[in-house]
Amino acid sequence: SQQGEEDPQALSIQEGENATMNCSYKTSINNLQWYRQNSGRGLVHLILIRSNEREKHSGRLRVTLDTSKKSSSLLITASRAADTASYFCATPLYNQGGKLIFGQGTELSVKP
Amino acid sequence: NAGVMQNPRHLVRRRGQEARLRCSPMKGHSHVYWYRQLPEEGLKFMVYLQKENIIDESGMPKERFSAEFPKEGPSILRIQQVVRGDSAAYFCASSPATGGVSTEAFFGQGTRLTVV
Repeated sequence: SQQGEEDPQALSIQEGENATMNCSYKTSINNLQWYRQNSGRGLVHLILIRSNEREKHSGRLRVTLDTSKKSSSLLITASRAADTASYFCATPLYNQGGKLIFGQGTELSVKP
Repeated sequence: NAGVMQNPRHLVRRRGQEARLRCSPMKGHSHVYWYRQLPEEGLKFMVYLQKENIIDESGMPKERFSAEFPKEGPSILRIQQVVRGDSAAYFCASSPATGGVSTEAFFGQGTRLTVV
């Protein structure tokens, strides 16, 4: 079964609006990571939030982590057409940075 | 510092042929991970290697798939006697030796395998 589950599976918004994606996971974690994947391309690491952090910002990205609810959210503010991509959350197992368990992803479409 | 390099980017094989996918980790990284992404799905972990050692192959199919990370040269994911169901994007990631709380993995662009 998936460690991470994203919600919603697909999201369509207008340019300038905010986009919020959620991720739930099952087991204890050391950190949670968000990645972006443009169609047919590789993954780009967006942000890593540690288990002792509650919120983290990077440019137009804001990530929250609630370990009591085993959930995280990714907020993209003032979205642009270039933000159109699939977004995945991922958690490492056994403190192994690269062995990640990915969710199914949220497909974001930002219309100009 | 070049990123994780995968080649080829696209690979077409006929059923029954062998596919070899190569991954060169980032400089200074000694941990390599392979993932498979089927269409419309997330990435699934396949195997974790360090130089000359397979650490965790719990995600590898039992037959036809093998991986290695030799002392010299890139990591190789090998698929023998490919079938149509092997068609997918295969991603490699690398991370440094330290496996701390905030260790980040860096991904290559992937190899898209098409079996015809």
